[in-house]
Amino acid sequence: SYELTQPPSVSVSPGQTASITCSGDKLGDKYTCWYQQKPGQSPVLVMYQDSKRPSGIPERFSGSSSGNTATLTISGTQAMDEADYYCQAWDSGTVVFGGGTKLTVL
Amino acid sequence: QVQLQESGPGLVKPSQTLSLTCTVSGGSISSGSYYWSWIRQPAGKGLEWIGRIYASGSTNYNPSLRSRVIISVDTSKSQFSLKLNSVTAADTAVYSCAREAGSWYAFDIWGQGTKVTVSS
Repeated sequence: SYELTQPPSVSVSPGQTASITCSGDKLGDKYTCWYQQKPGQSPVLVMYQDSKRPSGIPERFSGSSSGNTATLTISGTQAMDEADYYCQAWDSGTVVFGGGTKLTVL
Repeated sequence: QVQLQESGPGLVKPSQTLSLTCTVSGGSISSGSYYWSWIRQPAGKGLEWIGRIYASGSTNYNPSLRSRVIISVDTSKSQFSLKLNSVTAADTAVYSCAREAGSWYAFDIWGQGTKVTVSS
């Protein structure tokens, strides 16, 4: 079965740039999307089709994908961005989620 | 705006069937190119897609759960439902329904989730 691999944790200082990666076989050939989940809340879509932001998502969130890796980048990271982030893609008609990355802003 | 709300028992006994319903409000379950999914998340763990249904009744399931899952839709009530049989403690999780914007290949609207515990 298809797998998406994310680093368990990423740390960033306020105002700096955070990059969260998601790896999978030929992931660049698929669409990747990203969700932000804060404690006790449902996930929120922050990026779809690799690099498109839904309405209401700040411009500091951006995405890219190439080869076997998709990346979610948060520029000028704020304390409010501290959360778990999950990547997601489709493979053979099935949704696959990455294991999630805990972003710590310190 | 479209909202999703899960409902159903919070406690299910082992070997029995977990049954949940998602009610769609603020929009029609039959409108647009949307699919309707169930996703679960055990405490402290990641997200797992269970399956999805289209308003026509067409379904897709996670291969790992396919033998135990049935997702159905009632367009007259703007609801879709999940049945997971032969549950064990490993099925304890927060279960959420979500709307998949088909052209986006992403879940753009989520319900708040409902916790289901499998225990005798």
